[in-house]
Amino acid sequence: DAGVIQSPRHEVTEMGQEVTLRCKPISGHNSLFWYRQTMMRGLELLIYFNNNVPIDDSGMPEDRFSAKMPNASFSTLKIQPSEPRDSAVYFCASSFSERVEQYFGPGTRLTVT
Amino acid sequence: DAKTTQPPSMDCAEGRAANLPCNHSTISGNEYVYWYRQIHSQGPQYIIHGLKNNETNEMASLIITEDRKSSTLILPHATLRDTAVYYCIVRDNQGGKLIFGQGTELSVKP
Repeated sequence: DAGVIQSPRHEVTEMGQEVTLRCKPISGHNSLFWYRQTMMRGLELLIYFNNNVPIDDSGMPEDRFSAKMPNASFSTLKIQPSEPRDSAVYFCASSFSERVEQYFGPGTRLTVT
Repeated sequence: DAKTTQPPSMDCAEGRAANLPCNHSTISGNEYVYWYRQIHSQGPQYIIHGLKNNETNEMASLIITEDRKSSTLILPHATLRDTAVYYCIVRDNQGGKLIFGQGTELSVKP
């Protein structure tokens, strides 16, 4: 079975550019989570969706970050404009419901220069 | 803030059991204990979870004390591929986000 798919796996961009990260959850999963991992802050939740509806976006750093889930099989996390402090590994995870175990994708390593 | 306390690092000999402790003294009645691990450069991987009773699956066993204030994750026969950071997470039955602490960096050595 295919797990959570994320693209791109690596992204290098210049400060001020728009960045779009993509995630395809496991088929049949109804909840989707975006996490960010840095050395300083560890793993932290940015936002999660349940049945394509955003439930908790309290972790989204600022207005430069936005996330969408137009359907059950696709989600995007957009940063515009990007800044060097956004450099991190971004993970997408999915689960059957928000109450059970989550399965993580391989992550997107973002570098903003 | 994470509700758990774990040792920052541990070593284990290959083939031996790895016992990873976790303290969660403020756990409440509706909170589960979850364990994840993260192998270098990969996404976190779900291992096991439990509420009160001990649990076992193909990856590991979870032993929860009777007062539920601490637990131990047991990898019965550790291999080099088990080298990873192991996270103990307390999460209520409403679900939602996982709050990751610093975890325990387990090194399995030949």
